[in-house]
Amino acid sequence: GAGVSQSPSNKVTEKGKDVELRCDPISGHTALYWYRQSLGQGLEFLIYFQGNSAPDKSGLPSDRFSAERTGGSVSTLTIQRTQQEDSAVYLCASSSTRGRDSPLHFGNGTRLTVT
Amino acid sequence: DQQVKQNSPSLSVQEGRISILNCDYTNSMFDYFLWYKKYPAEGPTFLISISSIKDKNEDGRFTVFLNKSAKHLSLHIVPSQPGDSAVYFCAVYSGGSNYKLTFGKGTLLTVNP
Repeated sequence: GAGVSQSPSNKVTEKGKDVELRCDPISGHTALYWYRQSLGQGLEFLIYFQGNSAPDKSGLPSDRFSAERTGGSVSTLTIQRTQQEDSAVYLCASSSTRGRDSPLHFGNGTRLTVT
Repeated sequence: DQQVKQNSPSLSVQEGRISILNCDYTNSMFDYFLWYKKYPAEGPTFLISISSIKDKNEDGRFTVFLNKSAKHLSLHIVPSQPGDSAVYFCAVYSGGSNYKLTFGKGTLLTVNP
């Protein structure tokens, strides 16, 4: 079966431009998460979706970051007016339910480089 | 302030020997711990977990030990294989959450043939 799919796998953009990152979770997974990994850092939580709603957006670094999920499936993370410090690998994960017995399944990530 | 610390950025071991990866945490209220493995250009994959009601959990070649008094956990891989070469992340569910994982910075394990 298909795993979590993210696109694009790599994105190079100029400072100040907007970018959209896409995540297709595993079919039937109700929970979806966005994390990012900056160079030399661990994974940093950004946002959590349960269905189409986002009960926890506390990890979004600024109001330039937003995310949505439609149809309980695909999610898009949008970064407006990108800055160089936004350069990182953005990872999406899904799980069948919320909870500790439901491990997160991660995609391969989108490597974002802001020049 | 890091809640989960992996103080060794890298570890190199010989094939067939034991690999021991360490993780320290700051909050004694943390009660569920996980290890993830990550290959280059891939997402992390879940490896093994442990609840604070246990002090050991074993799955094949992988064993996680939890020392609550020291706020320390470790992952043992025996015997180590070249395919185990990857970055290993320790993670905890934080803030009473059942969904938000806090990760350490990872340890790069290299198993030499």
